[in-house]
Amino acid sequence: QVQLQETGPGLVKSSETLSLTCAVSGDSVNTPYFWGWVRQPPGRGLEWIGSINQYGTTYYNPPLKSRVSISIDTSKNHFSLNVVSVTAADTAMYYCVRDGVRTGDSLDTWGQGTMVTVSS
Amino acid sequence: SYELTQPPSVSVSPGQTARITCSGDALPKEYASWYQQKPGQAPVRIIYKDRERPSGIPERFSGSSSGTTATLTISGVRAEDEADYYCQSADTSDSYVAFGGGTNLIVL
Repeated sequence: QVQLQETGPGLVKSSETLSLTCAVSGDSVNTPYFWGWVRQPPGRGLEWIGSINQYGTTYYNPPLKSRVSISIDTSKNHFSLNVVSVTAADTAMYYCVRDGVRTGDSLDTWGQGTMVTVSS
Repeated sequence: SYELTQPPSVSVSPGQTARITCSGDALPKEYASWYQQKPGQAPVRIIYKDRERPSGIPERFSGSSSGTTATLTISGVRAEDEADYYCQSADTSDSYVAFGGGTNLIVL
């Protein structure tokens, strides 16, 4: 059974870069799936950030595209998220997901999430 | 971007049937999925490809889609079903994944 685990700092200073990694176990990132990130500000709904596949093909949510990058390391079986120039609006729970959307499926597996707070 | 619209809340008494709708222009062409999120927990997929139910999800959860509206139906609602429910679809021409705003199911 595939499992996803997010790691990264829980506190980031405003204007700096938020960096998170998602470790994949029970599956390989070298599959037809994409691997993505979803965030949820406190008390609000879900927002898709973007996704990547084993070949490095990426798709991003247009409003975030200028500040976000997702990378993948197939040798370590993990993928990562960078968000630059963060503000308080980036404070959220960040989830990594296995993304089968482009094969007609869904976000079938979620990590437990990691809370990131942007401080001034 | 692509928008999906859900009612903010739905209230139902235990044992009754709850229906949560999700409206989106691309739904006639794209699949809808549904996720349940309880407080302090990660979302869990409960319906995919409009009406498919993953293993381990109770049969009282079902999905359907017609035209621009997808519907999640919970039959025989239990207190434990009180949660937020999110629909999700995609505009595959842009490879954009969209979520609805979420519906808070209140079990009276």
